[in-house]
Amino acid sequence: GEDVEQSLFLSVREGDSSVINCTYTDSSSTYLYWYKQEPGAGLQLLTYIFSNMDMKQDQRLTVLLNKKDKHLSLRIADTQTGDSAIYFCAESSNSGYALNFGKGTSLLVTP
Amino acid sequence: NAGVMQNPRHLVRRRGQEARLRCSPMKGHSHVYWYRQLPEEGLKFMVYLQKENIIDESGMPKERFSAEFPKEGPSILRIQQVVRGDSAAYFCASPGQETTGDYGYTFGSGTRLTVV
Repeated sequence: GEDVEQSLFLSVREGDSSVINCTYTDSSSTYLYWYKQEPGAGLQLLTYIFSNMDMKQDQRLTVLLNKKDKHLSLRIADTQTGDSAIYFCAESSNSGYALNFGKGTSLLVTP
Repeated sequence: NAGVMQNPRHLVRRRGQEARLRCSPMKGHSHVYWYRQLPEEGLKFMVYLQKENIIDESGMPKERFSAEFPKEGPSILRIQQVVRGDSAAYFCASPGQETTGDYGYTFGSGTRLTVV
C-alpha cells in the first residue's frame, strides 16, 4: 500500500510550539487527518484538511499541507503537558475506502 | 470517542480459543471500519462493512478472521484459534456524514486483545 511516514519522537518544553511532520506518497489522497491517542485510549480526531487546501487553523492547531511535496504538518501552539500523546497522520484516497495511517509521533511535553 | 461503542475493553484468550469483538457505530450510522493496531505501530485497515454487506475486506487475514454486521445488533469481528501474534488493539470506526460535509471518522475506544 501507499506509505505514510512520520518521525517517531518529539520532545518540547511546555509553552513552546510543537511541529509534527508527515509525508505521504499517494498522489490521489483527498483528505488528510490528524488523530491523537493517549495511553490506553482510542483515537481522537483533531482535525482534517481537504487536499485542495494548504492551511487550516483551529484554535491552537494549525495544519499546513504542501501537496506538491506531499508533506503535511501539525503545529500546536503553546504546548501543554496534556498534549503529551501519540499523534497519527492518516490519508484517505479515491482508490480505497479506508484511512492509511502513519506509525505515529510520540510527543513528550516537559515542564 | 462518544458514540462508537466497543466491547469488551479488554479480552484475554488462551491460544486456540475464539475471540469475539463487538462494535456499535454511532446512532443512525450503518457503516463500520475495523482496524488493528499492533504494539508501537499505526493502525492497519482490516475490513469495511455496511449492514449485511462486506464492502472491502482487503486487509483481513485470509484465515481465522471474519467479520459481520447483521441487520440488527453490533458488528462482530471474530478471530478463531487465536495465536500470540493476534495480541493487539482492535478499533472500530464510523465515517462521518458526507452529505453534511463531515469527512471525519470517529473511533471507538478499542478492544485490547491479549493472547496467553
